[in-house]
Amino acid sequence: SQQGEEDPQALSIQEGENATMNCSYKTSINNLQWYRQNSGRGLVHLILIRSNEREKHSGRLRVTLDTSKKSSSLLITASRAADTASYFCATEGTGANNLFFGTGTRLTVIP
Amino acid sequence: KAGVTQTPRYLIKTRGQQVTLSCSPISGHRSVSWYQQTPGQGLQFLFEYFSETQRNKGNFPGRFSGRQFSNSRSEMNVSTLELGDSALYLCASSDYRGGTEAFFGQGTRLTVV
Repeated sequence: SQQGEEDPQALSIQEGENATMNCSYKTSINNLQWYRQNSGRGLVHLILIRSNEREKHSGRLRVTLDTSKKSSSLLITASRAADTASYFCATEGTGANNLFFGTGTRLTVIP
Repeated sequence: KAGVTQTPRYLIKTRGQQVTLSCSPISGHRSVSWYQQTPGQGLQFLFEYFSETQRNKGNFPGRFSGRQFSNSRSEMNVSTLELGDSALYLCASSDYRGGTEAFFGQGTRLTVV
């Protein structure tokens, strides 16, 4: 399977703290994307980082990518209760226009 | 502009029946992908259509099929339903280029009894 692995599977933090989620994948990629899902609903795109980029920021989100280690991390700073959701990394392989998703991290932010 | 619309939102079917799910992509998007999400297997890629042609296919049995119409709307069909087909089926649309974000619908929750 080309599915990635995310770590940790679940994370519980206090509001205002930072949350870090890690993703590892197996194959060469064009880009890696992070998505958020609230309670079994659709996924919302958060950020995309291309294979030739090492770090990207978007608001309170910071993503890093290490293609030599086939890993990425998502940092959410100053977390809010509304950030409670499942977060998935997804890789787009070379020569394909479909995404392979990680197993997800369930984040709970306690007010 | 309107988002990705999936219908129906919920569906209950009996084993052995077949089901058709529908997805209307964002206007102008020509690529539509389908994913199955289950607690055990996570999010799994089913297939991707572009300009009415299937471009990529995941590792699912032939009971799972799909098609895309000239207006980019897509349907997926599952025949001879099994209990294990119970899942959230998600459709995503994107523009024709790879390397861009995918926009997901709210999904169709299929329960097979």
